[in-house]
Amino acid sequence: EVQLVESGGGLVQPGGSLRLSCAASGFTFSSSWMSWVRQAPGKGLEWVANIKLDGSEKYYVGSVKGRFTISRDNAKNSLFLEMNSLRVEDTAVYYCAKEAREWLSMSDWGQGTLVTVSS
Amino acid sequence: DIQMTQSPSSLSASVGDRVTITCRASQSISTYLNWYQQKPGKAPKLLIYAASNLQSGVPSRFSGSGSGTDFTLTISSLQPEDFATYYCQQSYGTPWTFGQGTKVEIK
Repeated sequence: EVQLVESGGGLVQPGGSLRLSCAASGFTFSSSWMSWVRQAPGKGLEWVANIKLDGSEKYYVGSVKGRFTISRDNAKNSLFLEMNSLRVEDTAVYYCAKEAREWLSMSDWGQGTLVTVSS
Repeated sequence: DIQMTQSPSSLSASVGDRVTITCRASQSISTYLNWYQQKPGKAPKLLIYAASNLQSGVPSRFSGSGSGTDFTLTISSLQPEDFATYYCQQSYGTPWTFGQGTKVEIK
């Protein structure tokens, strides 16, 4: 059974930094593209970033380029999202998701971790 | 960026009703279109991938169709557990983008 468990969320001041983690199990992590998706309170879903199997390719939504960095550690079956220069509008639940790359969809999701950016 | 527009934004329906949700892309996306279901406080769940393929374990009352710019998600006979918010998502190009969601409520 695929399991994705996010951690690292919390309260941070505007301009601050936070590092999210996603622990993966139940599948071959090194063979899967991975994504981060976020959802602001009461709002819809927004795809944030994804990363190729070996970390050689990374893609981001425009609003986080230059501030967020996605990375992975295949030896530890872990996905990360380093978030810098955080803004109030980055407040959201952040989900990690396993991609079904052959169909370019997100087939499995974690339960999410809440990031609150507020002074 | 490719814009995805869903309609309606919300609907009220009864158990047993046939429900159709539409999704329109701002440019042709072939069949790079996925549908997700989300219940309050829960993570999204993949229902349909590549426009018309049912994800494993999803009931057959769910179906998807379309290509190019216009897509539909149909629930043939609405069940109590289907009351949720539904999102379409394009994976034709990055950034991947979602529709704004359609909330299906009990009439």
